[in-house]
Amino acid sequence: EVQLVGSGGGLVQPGGSLRLSCAASGFTFSSYWMHWVRQAPGKGLVWVSHINTDGSTTSYADSVKGRFTISRDNAKNTLYLQMNSLRAEDTAVYYCARRGYDILTGYYHFDYWGQGTLVTVSS
Amino acid sequence: DIQLTQSPSFLSASVGDRVTITCRASQGISSYLAWYQQKPGKAPKLLIFAASTLQSGVPSRFSGSGSGTEFTLTVYSLQPEDFATYFCQQLNSYPPTFGQGTRLEIK
Repeated sequence: EVQLVGSGGGLVQPGGSLRLSCAASGFTFSSYWMHWVRQAPGKGLVWVSHINTDGSTTSYADSVKGRFTISRDNAKNTLYLQMNSLRAEDTAVYYCARRGYDILTGYYHFDYWGQGTLVTVSS
Repeated sequence: DIQLTQSPSFLSASVGDRVTITCRASQGISSYLAWYQQKPGKAPKLLIFAASTLQSGVPSRFSGSGSGTEFTLTVYSLQPEDFATYFCQQLNSYPPTFGQGTRLEIK
């Protein structure tokens, strides 16, 4: 069974740092691109970042570029999001998600999601 | 960035009803569209990808259609467990973007 378990969220002051983790199991983690998506309280889904299979390619939403860093440890089956210089507007539930690929259609999608971890930025 | 606009934002319906949600893209995205269902306090769940392909395990009462800039999600014969928020997502180009959501509530 595919499982993604997020952790590391909590309350942090503006300007502070936090590192989120997403532990993967039930599939070959090193074969999949991974993403972070966030959702502010009562709001919609916003893509944050992605990383390719070996970590050599990453991308970020403009709102977090230069402050957040995505990484992965394929030996530990774990995805990370290092968040620095946090702002109140970064307050959200952060989800990790696996990018799935359908061989028949050739299309991508986010097929499995973690349960989410809440980050609250407040003084 | 490609913008996705869902309509309506809120929908009230009864068990057994058929409902349709529309997602419009600001530019053509071929069939690179997915639909997700989200219940309060839970992660999104993939329903449909490639605009019309049902994800494994998703009931056949869910149906997607469209290509280019206009897409629809139809739920035939609503069940109590279908009352949730639905999001569309485009994967045609980076950044992948989501619609603002459609909240489906029981009448």
